Amino acid sequence: DAKTTQPTSMDCAEGRAANLPCNHSTISGNEYVYWYRQIHSQGPQYIIHGLKNNETNEMASLIITEDRKSSTLILPHATLRDTAVYYCIVRPNTNAGKSTFGDGTTLTVKP
Amino acid sequence: KAGVTQTPRYLIKTRGQQVTLSCSPISGHRSVSWYQQTPGQGLQFLFEYFSETQRNKGNFPGRFSGRQFSNSRSEMNVSTLELGDSALYLCASSLALGTNTGELFFGEGSRLTVL
Repeated sequence: DAKTTQPTSMDCAEGRAANLPCNHSTISGNEYVYWYRQIHSQGPQYIIHGLKNNETNEMASLIITEDRKSSTLILPHATLRDTAVYYCIVRPNTNAGKSTFGDGTTLTVKP
Repeated sequence: KAGVTQTPRYLIKTRGQQVTLSCSPISGHRSVSWYQQTPGQGLQFLFEYFSETQRNKGNFPGRFSGRQFSNSRSEMNVSTLELGDSALYLCASSLALGTNTGELFFGEGSRLTVL
């Protein structure tokens, strides 16, 4: 799996958009970008994934650059419950079980 | 639809003992993976099972083992426990290998403390 680089921590004001960047400059053509988050003491939760097109679901939007070397997860209206560690993972869409989680970004949403 | 269920949620063991953790995947999911999470090492992949066969294995010693049953439920076992085995053990299920989903669904984990 390609290696990803994420900032260690970020702050965001409640109600504002949270933009979490991820660098994956060595991504291969068959690799997708996945985002998960882990709220303290819980199991990670799937958020969104994409290959090359931008994606949106009820939780977030995923913006992937045209060269696919970086992406941004956007939480449009962050709430205090969005405080968590956010993991960006790059891998093929098969073989889901063996995922490499890095250190992630600790997002703190402040009132 | 019930999520991934892990038991027990918390347990305390002493060095040298062995432990068995159980995971029931989401109904219809055939792939089960196990991860170890510690403050120092983060989330690390242990192994993955599909159709009762181990398909992938991480870099853990042979004291860590697992199996999957015909109903897709899985167990992992750690023998001769060491202090460093204290961790949150997470189970994740996914639909199957080779499908265009790729999402992992995690349980709440089993928190093991080794004294």
